[in-house]
Amino acid sequence: GAVVSQHPSWVICKSGTSVKIECRSLDFQATTMFWYRQFPKQSLMLMATSNEGSKATYEQGVEKDKFLINHASLTLSTLTVTSAHPEDSSFYICSVWAGELFFGEGSRLTVL
Amino acid sequence: TQLLEQSPQFLSIQEGENLTVYCNSSSVFSSLQWYRQEPGEGPVLLVTVVTGGEVKKLKRLTFQFGDARKDSSLHITAAQPGDTGLYLCAGASGNQFYFGTGTSLTVIP
Repeated sequence: GAVVSQHPSWVICKSGTSVKIECRSLDFQATTMFWYRQFPKQSLMLMATSNEGSKATYEQGVEKDKFLINHASLTLSTLTVTSAHPEDSSFYICSVWAGELFFGEGSRLTVL
Repeated sequence: TQLLEQSPQFLSIQEGENLTVYCNSSSVFSSLQWYRQEPGEGPVLLVTVVTGGEVKKLKRLTFQFGDARKDSSLHITAAQPGDTGLYLCAGASGNQFYFGTGTSLTVIP
């Protein structure tokens, strides 16, 4: 399997600031990582597929300039929420495919 | 785009009762997975079904994949409070995975 770690677990920021969330694959070299967004008691919505060394593939309706994804190495993908607003408050989860999907612990973002 | 619809969306039952959760789609998937998620944590894989008509059992949980590989069901026998959580189905399409709308289950002691 794969151990996936996200950081930070919780983040609170002021409206207009940018927040970076890290997703690390600790024991598996992941060429592909997935970023999801989840609202309370709702399902996971795929935001984008992060590809190591190339541009991320974004799902329809997800703003590329708003949610910047960088996958600079086989063990790290980052999601940066730029100019965050209260409506961006959500639970963000990353996952790695290693025979099955392994998920990080999730990062809860609250924008004041 | 949400490709998989789950029903019911919310379910509250007494301990010991049986229940079934459905996952339906108009799309064909190469495989379908079921996950359980606790609040504030990432989903944990319960099972993967690959073959149309496949049935898998995991203790009190029975999973079935539709013959056309468009739908699936999860049946829990004699539910326990520890079964409480958000149940998610996910379909594999190419190298991407799309999650169902989710079923929030509460088992009352």
